[in-house]
Amino acid sequence: DQQVKQNSPSLSVQEGRISILNCDYTNSMFDYFLWYKKYPAEGPTFLISISSIKDKNEDGRFTVFLNKSAKHLSLHIVPSQPGDSAVYFCAASDSQQGSEKLVFGKGTKLTVNP
Amino acid sequence: GAGVSQSPSNKVTEKGKDVELRCDPISGHTALYWYRQSLGQGLEFLIYFQGNSAPDKSGLPSDRFSAERTGGSVSTLTIQRTQQEDSAVYLCASSVERSTEAFFGQGTRLTVV
Repeated sequence: DQQVKQNSPSLSVQEGRISILNCDYTNSMFDYFLWYKKYPAEGPTFLISISSIKDKNEDGRFTVFLNKSAKHLSLHIVPSQPGDSAVYFCAASDSQQGSEKLVFGKGTKLTVNP
Repeated sequence: GAGVSQSPSNKVTEKGKDVELRCDPISGHTALYWYRQSLGQGLEFLIYFQGNSAPDKSGLPSDRFSAERTGGSVSTLTIQRTQQEDSAVYLCASSVERSTEAFFGQGTRLTVV
């Protein structure tokens, strides 16, 4: 039972345009959300996070939006660059649970074309 | 160390053999996670260690899987009597206490033939 869902396995955008990666979750107890980026043959690297007390967090070209009522978050990358091509994983955790394990989605492979 | 270190980076083993995968977390990180990524799948949680608390083993897929963390630092994931479906990349991550920004190692690619 997937608690964190990334329904698009892949996304292709042109360099300079906006990339929007989506993530849905089912567990209403999740209160902290993260995006990780993964290049082939490397471990995932942390990109950006958001707490459930916010609805937006911005870091340079990366912005994460959280819609708690819809249990939906999205990652916006603008402008997209070829170096952003990677697999992006959405993750969530319940900080009140006592075990703060991160639950990951299956990932979305982003390709930014020059 | 500078980052999370995992060894070996690649392991090919025969079905039925036991394997041990090692993880050296970032110094000072009290939380340690094991995940695995099978082909075409997301990151599947296996086990989580936090300080001296009892580990969360809820993600271990069978009793062939076990993990320990000695001295609050190095962790070993052991898979007994490996099966072909155990083939995956096994990822270790660590974080500071009560932080959910986990730092990952490069993973161990396990192939069971």
